[in-house]
Amino acid sequence: GESVGLHLPTLSVQEGDNSIINCAYSNSASDYFIWYKQESGKGPQFIIDIRSNMDKRQGQRVTVLLNKTVKHLSLQIAATQPGDSAVYFCAENPYGNKLVFGAGTILRVKS
Amino acid sequence: EADIYQTPRYLVIGTGKKITLECSQTMGHDKMYWYQQDPGMELHLIHYSYGVNSTEKGDLSSESTVSRIRTEHFPLTLESARPSHTSQYLCASSTGGEQFFGPGTRLTVL
Repeated sequence: GESVGLHLPTLSVQEGDNSIINCAYSNSASDYFIWYKQESGKGPQFIIDIRSNMDKRQGQRVTVLLNKTVKHLSLQIAATQPGDSAVYFCAENPYGNKLVFGAGTILRVKS
Repeated sequence: EADIYQTPRYLVIGTGKKITLECSQTMGHDKMYWYQQDPGMELHLIHYSYGVNSTEKGDLSSESTVSRIRTEHFPLTLESARPSHTSQYLCASSTGGEQFFGPGTRLTVL
């Protein structure tokens, strides 16, 4: 069935460096994508989203890139901070109002 | 800050007990969802509702049941809990697109 997978299960970065978290999706019909951040003991928190008619969207310190040709999504975090340490999930919307989540990437920020 | 609440936050119970996990949202969202998540793993959709008196099973088979009698309330019930039900249960709501999540209920069945 459809799936969303992440290339790297764990990413360690130095504080102040930029982070890039990658995600591959499998359903060409998906027209909406979201990145969520989940801290320990909490529910996922929305970071940024992008629709399939765009290839880039920027937020505060975050940028999402969408490459529909290779069905790839990435989240870039600028000047990574210790508070960015969390699990990051990408999710796609291939049908209706349901989201399909990937396995998650653990981001560890070293001070 | 999303206004979606889950109770209890933590629950430890014995095998065979009936439990209900509560989820409420004050945003007037018509769509609500329940996910099951094991530590460090992806979220699996187990139930969803697109409005009052409308409920559907999700992608992951679950022995739980749900009800949607009021827009703001979407409780999940396990008639007879088993150790295999030990997991985190996350509730979410939406008007379409972005889903807002509650803090989750961590369930442990002994």
